[in-house]
Amino acid sequence: GAGVSQTPSNKVTEKGKYVELRCDPISGHTALYWYRQSLGQGPEFLIYFQGTGAADDSGLPNDRFFAVRPEGSVSTLKIQRTERGDSAVYLCASSSQPNQPQHFGDGTRLSIL
Amino acid sequence: DQQVKQNSPSLSVQEGRISILNCDYTNSMFDYFLWYKKYPAEGPTFLISISSIKDKNEDGRFTVFLNKSAKHLSLHIVPSQPGDSAVYFCAASAQTDSWGKLQFGAGTQVVVTP
Repeated sequence: GAGVSQTPSNKVTEKGKYVELRCDPISGHTALYWYRQSLGQGPEFLIYFQGTGAADDSGLPNDRFFAVRPEGSVSTLKIQRTERGDSAVYLCASSSQPNQPQHFGDGTRLSIL
Repeated sequence: DQQVKQNSPSLSVQEGRISILNCDYTNSMFDYFLWYKKYPAEGPTFLISISSIKDKNEDGRFTVFLNKSAKHLSLHIVPSQPGDSAVYFCAASAQTDSWGKLQFGAGTQVVVTP
């Protein structure tokens, strides 16, 4: 069966630009998560959705970061006024329930020049 | 504040031998623990999990041990195979966070040599 799909796989943009990263979870998974991973570190939690609503957005670093999941399936992570420090791999995961293992996509490698 | 720590950045083990990966945590509210394996340019792949009501969980070549009093868990891989060469992450979550917020260690790079 299809796993978690993330697009694009790579994104290069200039400082100050706006970016959108898309995540298509495993079909039927109600919980969806965003993490980001910098070189040499483990994934860092950003936000998690249960259905359409954000159940926990405590990991979003500032108000330039925003995520939506309007129909309870696909999610988009939006970053405004990008900064060089936003460069990282952005990972999306989904699970059937929050107390079940999270299954990850291959990530979007974001590079801010 | 790093609440999940993997103090060994790397581990080299001979094929056929046991690999033991260690993980320590500081948050006593953590009650669900997972191990993930990651190859370059791929997302983490779930390996095995354990709830705090257990002290051991086994799945094929993988066994996870949990010592709650020491706030320590370990992953045993036996026998180690060349395909096990990857980065391994320990992760933890808490019911107080609805289990949704995984906190990860920094990972341990495992190299299995012939």
